[in-house]
Amino acid sequence: NAGVTQTPKFQVLKTGQSMTLQCAQDMNHNSMYWYRQDPGMGLRLIYYSASEGTTDKGEVPNGYNVSRLNKREFSLRLESAAPSQTSVYFCASRTPPGTDPYEQYFGPGTRLTVT
Amino acid sequence: RKEVEQDPGPFNVPEGATVAFNCTYSNSASQSFFWYRQDCRKEPKLLMSVYSSGNEDGRFTAQLNRASQYISLLIRDSKLSDSATYLCVVINTDKLIFGTGTRLQVFP
Repeated sequence: NAGVTQTPKFQVLKTGQSMTLQCAQDMNHNSMYWYRQDPGMGLRLIYYSASEGTTDKGEVPNGYNVSRLNKREFSLRLESAAPSQTSVYFCASRTPPGTDPYEQYFGPGTRLTVT
Repeated sequence: RKEVEQDPGPFNVPEGATVAFNCTYSNSASQSFFWYRQDCRKEPKLLMSVYSSGNEDGRFTAQLNRASQYISLLIRDSKLSDSATYLCVVINTDKLIFGTGTRLQVFP
């Protein structure tokens, strides 16, 4: 059982380049999320998808787009990378409300540096 | 004011010690509460849910005080392997809000 997988693990981009971070989960969860984690800031929600075909903005969506390709996959795209987007990006999926524990599972993260 | 606030630490404690972390939250309508653990350069993982009556899982005890809007985590008989960052998590309107974490370092 792979859980949540993310690719790539590491990436260096130049300012202005674009890239897509891939995420997939095999737990049949409806809800999926993208976070970024910066020192002293904690995890901040970029976008989320409550179900296949729907996406919504989180706390820090500017500079990003997402696609919920199907129930398993939720990708994050940086159209024109900026140094401020240097961060660790985590994808997550969550068990349905009412489940005990009501748990969010994270992927291993993508460490992105924009120069 | 942040929605979820934690002392960043680090808390440096010897093996066998008891250590406690607190976390305060600002939204009185918050519905659910959790502690996650994050090892260095790894993803966060659920440590335990926090129930209104308080709950225990082995050496770990979590408590919720709704009146004062804080949750706590108590770790007894600390092990070297407990060294990590502990994230307080609150659910507001179905979104998880993460604290910035409290770092624990257990030394021999």
